[in-house]
Amino acid sequence: DADVTQTPRNRITKTGKRIMLECSQTKGHDRMYWYRQDPGLGLRLIYYSFDVKDINKGEISDGYSVSRQAQAKFSLSLESAIPNQTALYFCATSDLLEVGQFFGPGTRLTVL
Amino acid sequence: SQKIEQNSEALNIQEGKTATLTCNYTNYSPAYLQWYRQDPGRGPVFLLLIRENEKEKRKERLKVTFDTTLKQSLFHITASQPADSATYLCALEGSGTYKYIFGTGTRLKVLA
Repeated sequence: DADVTQTPRNRITKTGKRIMLECSQTKGHDRMYWYRQDPGLGLRLIYYSFDVKDINKGEISDGYSVSRQAQAKFSLSLESAIPNQTALYFCATSDLLEVGQFFGPGTRLTVL
Repeated sequence: SQKIEQNSEALNIQEGKTATLTCNYTNYSPAYLQWYRQDPGRGPVFLLLIRENEKEKRKERLKVTFDTTLKQSLFHITASQPADSATYLCALEGSGTYKYIFGTGTRLKVLA
């Protein structure tokens, strides 16, 4: 089984809809992250959490919110989706710096 | 503002040759620099980390250098193989903050 899972893997939604992307991990890591990836812009940090009670905004948090339900679960919500939120979204976890971050398989979100 | 630059143009190289990818950064003093590999439609996978006080790090056919004066890291793949074809991302982390800034990546294609 994958260490970091994301659901759904693909989602098409309409402008104005609320949508939640979910991330679960079995690695036992405290640190979890949400990124979005756009062609030519690379990975950009949306939110990160260093434990259940510690949630922080990243570079591009406007229009997004998160919930850390447990050590293993970190959800990203788009309260009112807009077309420029169309992107590939990745969840990641980390423990020791020396072994880097562990990424999920990604969620491809399309907002029409 | 902090900026990381990787060559956005694809790098094509003949099998068996050494591939060299560049990561330049400005307005940042990273304590750690990481390199990741990303295959199409998948999440990045961690390859190597180098610290600010290290000049060079090796792992099998991979070699990373880190020049904090030039604000540059070079990533080398020796004896390249078609299976090495992927996009390679560099990421900077500042002094144990566990927050990462990613470059846009360079796509490498190894020709058989």
